[in-house]
Amino acid sequence: AQKVTQAQTEISVVEKEDVTLDCVYETRDTTYYLFWYKQPPSGELVFLIRRNSFDEQNEISGRYSWNFQKSTSSFNFTITASQVVDSAVYFCALSEVSTGGATNKLIFGTGTLLAVQP
Amino acid sequence: DVKVTQSSRYLVKRTGEKVFLECVQDMDHENMFWYRQDPGLGLRLIYFSYDVKMKEKGDIPEGYSVSREKKERFSLILESASTNQTSMYLCASTAAGEWLRELFFGEGSRLTVL
Repeated sequence: AQKVTQAQTEISVVEKEDVTLDCVYETRDTTYYLFWYKQPPSGELVFLIRRNSFDEQNEISGRYSWNFQKSTSSFNFTITASQVVDSAVYFCALSEVSTGGATNKLIFGTGTLLAVQP
Repeated sequence: DVKVTQSSRYLVKRTGEKVFLECVQDMDHENMFWYRQDPGLGLRLIYFSYDVKMKEKGDIPEGYSVSREKKERFSLILESASTNQTSMYLCASTAAGEWLRELFFGEGSRLTVL
């Protein structure tokens, strides 16, 4: 069965520290997608990144970077030089094929609450 | 910008009441979703719809039904609300296509059932 595990429930860091959020997934699909979303205190989930299973290149976007490793079924997210505005719940998600055969569903991990202290 | 609008941010209902949660998106997306978010459990899929009048059960459909009469609108219905349905409900939408694109989410509806 499809599954996403975010073992870190809460992480607290001091501003300017680097922090890595872990995501481990299980899937039987050969083609799949992985996502990261941010949920700030306002509540609305904000899309951060999508990665498909054929692209194992790491990606960097400003202070954010993602490390995708199929060998360990992991898709970890690192924030460099964290800021107070990074405080949020971060969700990792995995695509799932619906009964109709289309890959049009997302299953989410339980989330990691990141608190960045000034 | 894509806009997903949920009709109510906060609702308080009594056990046994019928509850409607409405969601409207303005980007002509084919796929729409209802998730439930609870502490320690993340987001769990209740139902989704990939076309008008089409629906598919998610992981936790019990106690819920949905309606999609128009492409832009997807409603979640609690026929007889119970206290264990107190939760945050999130609506999302995305375009159909060969590859799964990102889901766009509404701000959420926090439902309390007394």
